[in-house]
Amino acid sequence: ILNVEQSPQSLHVQEGDSTNFTCSFPSSNFYALHWYRWETAKSPEALFVMTLNGDEKKKGRISATLNTKEGYSYLYIKGSQPEDSATYLCAFIYGQNFVFGPGTRLSVLP
Amino acid sequence: DTGVSQNPRHKITKRGQNVTFRCDPISEHNRLYWYRQTLGQGPEFLTYFQNEAQLEKSRLLSDRFSAERPKGSFSTLEIQRTEQGDSAMYLCASSLFDIQYFGAGTRLSVL
Repeated sequence: ILNVEQSPQSLHVQEGDSTNFTCSFPSSNFYALHWYRWETAKSPEALFVMTLNGDEKKKGRISATLNTKEGYSYLYIKGSQPEDSATYLCAFIYGQNFVFGPGTRLSVLP
Repeated sequence: DTGVSQNPRHKITKRGQNVTFRCDPISEHNRLYWYRQTLGQGPEFLTYFQNEAQLEKSRLLSDRFSAERPKGSFSTLEIQRTEQGDSAMYLCASSLFDIQYFGAGTRLSVL
């Protein structure tokens, strides 16, 4: 059974703070890692698709890095805003199977 | 708006009843996935279709669960003889390549 872990489980930060969280996944049989943002009452939305060791992706104030050899990915948010409040999910992909982590719930306080 | 539509958004049912959910994917997407999500957990894979073929089913999908995608377009997920443990959010996603586009989910409450 594949295990994808995320830490921390939840996080509260002040507006303007920068933050980061971790996704840990099996380092063997790696195909891809996806990050999703899931806002309350909305659909999960894809942020990044990461496939190569050393990948670094950026979208505005959000960026992600990937280390497939040691089995982790970091998601960074610079200058958090209240609209960043959401659950951030990572998904480990092997073949056509998506194994999601439990998510990190971020709350940004104004 | 991701374009994936799920109906109903909420379903309350009594234990032992059958329920059916519908997912309308983005029209050109050939892959369709069903997931179940419970509080504090990420989405758990249930089943996957490529066009009308159901290619994979999770062991989570007991014989009370059945999914169809008869014409390779919309899909239905049926749960027979619902149990309280079936209470969860049921998510559908579709994809053409790697990225999955999710619907807003159907929240099932079994009383």
